[in-house]
Amino acid sequence: QSALTQPPSVSGSPGQSVTISCTGTSSDVGSYNRVSWYQQPPGTAPKLMIYEVSNRPSGVPDHFSGSKSGNTASLTISGLQAEDEADYYCSSYTSSGTVVFGGGTKLTVL
Amino acid sequence: QVQLVESGGGLVKPGGSLRLSCAASGFTFSDYYMSWIRQAPGKGLEWVSYISGSGSTTHYADSVKGRLTISRDNAKNSLYLQMNSLRVEDTAVYYCARDHKGRSGSYPYWGQGTLVTVSS
Repeated sequence: QSALTQPPSVSGSPGQSVTISCTGTSSDVGSYNRVSWYQQPPGTAPKLMIYEVSNRPSGVPDHFSGSKSGNTASLTISGLQAEDEADYYCSSYTSSGTVVFGGGTKLTVL
Repeated sequence: QVQLVESGGGLVKPGGSLRLSCAASGFTFSDYYMSWIRQAPGKGLEWVSYISGSGSTTHYADSVKGRLTISRDNAKNSLYLQMNSLRVEDTAVYYCARDHKGRSGSYPYWGQGTLVTVSS
C-alpha cells in the first residue's frame, strides 16, 4: 500500500493554470476510475473537489478539472485565485479493496 | 444536512487503548460505507479502514491491521474505532468520513477530526 506520488509543491500566479500530478500503479490509478482529489486549507478538514477522475461535486468551481492517463491522474486548476492556496491530495481505490492517498501537494499562489 | 462529529480522542501511553466515536446525522446512516482516515501532525492523509453499511464488510490498512477495529451501530447512527496496542506512530487527527456511494473511495463528507496522541 505505497502512497501515490505527488509533487511536494507547485506554484502559480493569479489567473495562471497549474497541474498537479498523481502517479500510482496498475493496481490502483491505472485500473480504476475511482480517483478523487481533495483540497485542505490549514487547520481544516479535507474537501472533496473531484471524484471518479473528472466529476465535480455540487458547489465546486468549474476552474477545477481532473483527468487520467494510464497510471497518472491530474488535477488542473485554471484561472488561479488566491483562495485556491491550500494542500491538495489525490486518492484511489486499489485492487486490494483499500484506498490509498497521495503524499500531498502544497499549492502556493504567488 | 450531513453532519459527522467525532469524539474520544486524547492522550494515551504506548501500548494503551482508546475508542473513537463518530455520531452521524442528516442521512440514512445504514445506506453508506463509512471510513476512518488519519493525519499525523504536519503530514499527509492516510486511509485507515472502512466498513459497509450493514457492518458485514471491513478493510484495514496494513499499518493498523490487527490493532484497530472498525464497527458501527446503525440503530445509534454511530461509527466506532477501537484502538488497541497503540504506538507513537498512531498519533494523528482521526477523521470519520462518509463514502459518496457504495465503496467508491470518494469522501464528500468529513467530520472535524479528533486528536489522538500516543506518548509516554
